[in-house]
Amino acid sequence: GQNIDQPTEMTATEGAIVQINCTYQTSGFNGLFWYQQHAGEAPTFLSYNVLDGLEEKGRFSSFLSRSKGYSYLLLKELQMKDSASYLCVPMDSNYQLIWGAGTKLIIKP
Amino acid sequence: DAMVIQNPRYQVTQFGKPVTLSCSQTLNHNVMYWYQQKSSQAPKLLFHYYDKDFNNEADTPDNFQSRRPNTSFCFLDIRSPGLGDAAMYLCATSRTSGGTDTQYFGPGTRLTVL
Repeated sequence: GQNIDQPTEMTATEGAIVQINCTYQTSGFNGLFWYQQHAGEAPTFLSYNVLDGLEEKGRFSSFLSRSKGYSYLLLKELQMKDSASYLCVPMDSNYQLIWGAGTKLIIKP
Repeated sequence: DAMVIQNPRYQVTQFGKPVTLSCSQTLNHNVMYWYQQKSSQAPKLLFHYYDKDFNNEADTPDNFQSRRPNTSFCFLDIRSPGLGDAAMYLCATSRTSGGTDTQYFGPGTRLTVL
């Protein structure tokens, strides 16, 4: 079957760094997306990785290891507005997105 | 700004009373998707259109129907809403299907069933 494993919830401090890990199993692989979703709102696109390595985009970076079925999202200089759920979304061989419930990130002052 | 628009943002209906949710896009994307998302759960794909080609997910109940009269608009019809259909309904678009194009979401419509 296809599945995604992320922590249900994480807590971090404003100004700190947090890494949200994701492991996945899919039928084939066509890349992996990270989305941010604030409570009661729609997901917004953060990043897409299809090759191994680190993609940096401002305060956010995303890493992929295809051989390990592993990705992480790294958030630096955390701000209160970063409190949200972060969804790791791999794409399978049929170009279908595999959605999980994501990781709820709580930022404390 | 190019975007995905959903109306209304909040919809209340009565048990069994048909309801229609609407989505429009100014991105000129070929593909439009409808998702259902319940609290603290993953978005669940209901169906999608590639142009006018309709693709229904195998486990989408018959109670849910969709129409896409033109490139810009897509509608979700719930024929007889039950209490279990209360959820956030998300519309998304992507430039193509069968590729790795990013899906962009509208703000969602939160449906309450009384």
